[in-house]
Amino acid sequence: AQRVTQPEKLLSVFKGAPVELKCNYSYSGSPELFWYVQYSRQRLQLLLRHISRESIKGFTADLNKGETSFHLKKPFAQEEDSAMYYCALITGGFKTIFGAGTRLFVKA
Amino acid sequence: GAGVSQSPSNKVTEKGKDVELRCDPISGHTALYWYRQSLGQGLEFLIYFQGNSAPDKSGLPSDRFSAERTGGSVSTLTIQRTQQEDSAVYLCAIWATPQGLSSGGGYGYTFGSGTRLTVV
Repeated sequence: AQRVTQPEKLLSVFKGAPVELKCNYSYSGSPELFWYVQYSRQRLQLLLRHISRESIKGFTADLNKGETSFHLKKPFAQEEDSAMYYCALITGGFKTIFGAGTRLFVKA
Repeated sequence: GAGVSQSPSNKVTEKGKDVELRCDPISGHTALYWYRQSLGQGLEFLIYFQGNSAPDKSGLPSDRFSAERTGGSVSTLTIQRTQQEDSAVYLCAIWATPQGLSSGGGYGYTFGSGTRLTVV
């Protein structure tokens, strides 16, 4: 079955602390994974995709096929990182499966 | 604009009424998607359009839901005889190069701001 699991509904960290938002997937094919972010009162937007191997706003995510994971990491969290984060998996070429989301709260 | 406009932004309707949600994407994108965002449920795929055709309607929750797209542009999602469980944010998206990525690279969804539907 194709599935994206984000085990944490809420993650709370202090400003300056490292943060890791977990994402695990289940997919028999070659995965193409994304992270999307939704800041307060803003629309859902793409944060990064694994195929680009990019760092956006200090966030990185590495695809680990052995562990079927695509965790999102940032070494030093900032208050403006507080948002809802969704991990997503493309299947079948056009359909994307989203995780349930993790709300990150960065405390001052 | 960010490429996808949705209207209305908020809709409150009485149970049993029909509602129509509109998505107006920037021109030139043949692929258009509807998702439903419910609290604690993530994003649920509803339907996908390629041009005016919908190759995959498998995500529509029931036959009360329908969608169409005309001129390869505007899409309308219609919910008939609304129920309280239909309350959610309905998102429209196109597959495009998103604005604002610092790397400037990569394709992904560009979402509209959504329609928040509340059925009372």
